[in-house]
Amino acid sequence: GQQVMQIPQYQHVQEGEDFTTYCNSSTTLSNIQWYKQRPGGHPVFLIQLVKSGEVKKQKRLTFQFGEAKKNSSLHITATQTTDVGTYFCAGILGDMRFGAGTRLTVKP
Amino acid sequence: NAGVTQTPKFQVLKTGQSMTLQCAQDMNHEYMSWYRQDPGMGLRLIHYSVGAGITDQGEVPNGYNVSRSTTEDFPLRLLSAAPSQTSVYFCASSPGHTQPQHFGDGTRLSIL
Repeated sequence: GQQVMQIPQYQHVQEGEDFTTYCNSSTTLSNIQWYKQRPGGHPVFLIQLVKSGEVKKQKRLTFQFGEAKKNSSLHITATQTTDVGTYFCAGILGDMRFGAGTRLTVKP
Repeated sequence: NAGVTQTPKFQVLKTGQSMTLQCAQDMNHEYMSWYRQDPGMGLRLIHYSVGAGITDQGEVPNGYNVSRSTTEDFPLRLLSAAPSQTSVYFCASSPGHTQPQHFGDGTRLSIL
């Protein structure tokens, strides 16, 4: 079936380094959502992008939606230990499809 | 301010047993859904409901049943548990199917 692909699967960074995760669909998405899941926790909604080329910022997090509405990215500037967790993108392909997630670990 | 409540938090079953995972939300959300989360595979949609009396299959529905008799409750039934159903199960709700979802704390289920 149709999928939302997300890379990388894992990312280990030194505190203070930047981090980016990418999400890609073969089909145009009506919108894309990003969630964060802390270890042992449940996914928590971060943001939703709807418009082609949209860019939204939340403090050190920058979210982008591609012009063709088929890809998206989440960029974290100057990571902190509190950023640790798995970041998921999700889009509607008939029903809701989540990417496999990118697990971020941060070394102090 | 409960949000989405899932019970139980942990469960161990034997192969062939049946059980129901409970999910309740107090936000008057129309859309509710069940996901399973396995290592490296993200969240996969099992079943969803766009309102009371309406349910539909997601990506991985086999072996699971759901019903939605009220807006608040959306139980997930395992008819005959199999080891392949060992997973963490999350219930989620949202005002509509395109809107951000609120997740419960999850049920960690092991099938022996």
